[in-house]
Amino acid sequence: DAGITQSPRHKVTETGTPVTLRCHQTENHRYMYWYRQDPGHGLRLIHYSYGVKDTDKGEVSDGYSVSRSKTEDFLLTLESATSSQTSVYFCAISEFGQNTEAFFGQGTRLTVV
Amino acid sequence: RKEVEQDPGPFNVPEGATVAFNCTYSNSASQSFFWYRQDCRKEPKLLMSVYSSGNEDGRFTAQLNRASQYISLLIRDSKLSDSATYLCVVRGGSYIPTFGRGTSLIVHP
Repeated sequence: DAGITQSPRHKVTETGTPVTLRCHQTENHRYMYWYRQDPGHGLRLIHYSYGVKDTDKGEVSDGYSVSRSKTEDFLLTLESATSSQTSVYFCAISEFGQNTEAFFGQGTRLTVV
Repeated sequence: RKEVEQDPGPFNVPEGATVAFNCTYSNSASQSFFWYRQDCRKEPKLLMSVYSSGNEDGRFTAQLNRASQYISLLIRDSKLSDSATYLCVVRGGSYIPTFGRGTSLIVHP
């Protein structure tokens, strides 16, 4: 299995609080992604990174920010958590190139109460 | 219109059956295609890439039709362990994987 870990795996937080999720890889892959998965919507891209300090928005980026100060770490921050951000968050990594596989972390189950 | 469309199912089939899923994509510039499998409450994992000439991996066959912009997955001799959600994934020039919502397969004895 690819070396990709997410932390925490589960979190319950209150509305209005900031939350940071971490994705750590040991594969030295260039691309890193954050997705959220909700029933009826599938996996939707929040933000992605194509290198250190190089990030861009995805389909559902409102209310989220990211940072990548090192190749191996990609942080996702919910600036002020809302109940609509209750979801399962997946980090993924891939190497450069069209036919390269994307590997996923085990996911973080976030509940905002 | 969503960029990648799949029938959510569920497809409910007996063991040993053959089942096929289709997926359509809207971006004609898409360059690479994949099927992923996701078990309940787990992360998605690559099942197989889809090549222009079609490809087979054991009981699984994937086909690509660029003219009609769809890809398909055929599973022969279904096993109970094939029960999962199958995700269609498309990549364009930006290298970002775009996922369909997934098709649920339930194989029963």
